[in-house]
Amino acid sequence: RKEVEQDPGPFNVPEGATVAFNCTYSNSASQSFFWYRQDCRKEPKLLMSVYSSGNEDGRFTAQLNRASQYISLLIRDSKLSDSATYLCVVKPELTGGGNKLTFGTGTQLKVEL
Amino acid sequence: GAVVSQHPSWVICKSGTSVKIECRSLDFQATTMFWYRQFPKQSLMLMATSNEGSKATYEQGVEKDKFLINHASLTLSTLTVTSAHPEDSSFYICSASGSGTGDYEQYFGPGTRLTVT
Repeated sequence: RKEVEQDPGPFNVPEGATVAFNCTYSNSASQSFFWYRQDCRKEPKLLMSVYSSGNEDGRFTAQLNRASQYISLLIRDSKLSDSATYLCVVKPELTGGGNKLTFGTGTQLKVEL
Repeated sequence: GAVVSQHPSWVICKSGTSVKIECRSLDFQATTMFWYRQFPKQSLMLMATSNEGSKATYEQGVEKDKFLINHASLTLSTLTVTSAHPEDSSFYICSASGSGTGDYEQYFGPGTRLTVT
């Protein structure tokens, strides 16, 4: 089983739609969770951290369910510029692991007119 | 936010040659730098972690003699792909974390696309 699993998509949605991505992780001791965005042929960029209480940043809402080891990202009122690959990222809690991050394969989103 | 640069942006080389990729933290001291590799439609895979002034720690399956990493200063790490072969063609991305960046956030360089012919 992969450490971080995501549906690769692509998800094709019309502009203005609401879309949700899910991610599951296998290490129950994981401590920190993030969503990154990666545009084609570019480096990943931090979109938002994910907290147990849920957090929102504008049109983006992230949720964490530790019991189910499940993370979600909701995008409301999607824009053409939201088209990208969204990476679910987990920081395992390992002694000596330092700041190592484990990346999912990403979910591709295409927002269309 | 913290800025990380990477050079070159892309490189095409012949099989058997060696290629050096530089990763620099421009406005902070990077005590730790990470090197990733990403093949098309796959996730970023961590290759190695390097701390300034010490030997890099390689992930399982990554040949340390083929991928030489040097982190000689707090602002520069280099990855040298020795005797490159077509299967080494990939997108190589570095990231850095250190003083002032928080204990978990990594700042990524723009990546280097390596094509070995």
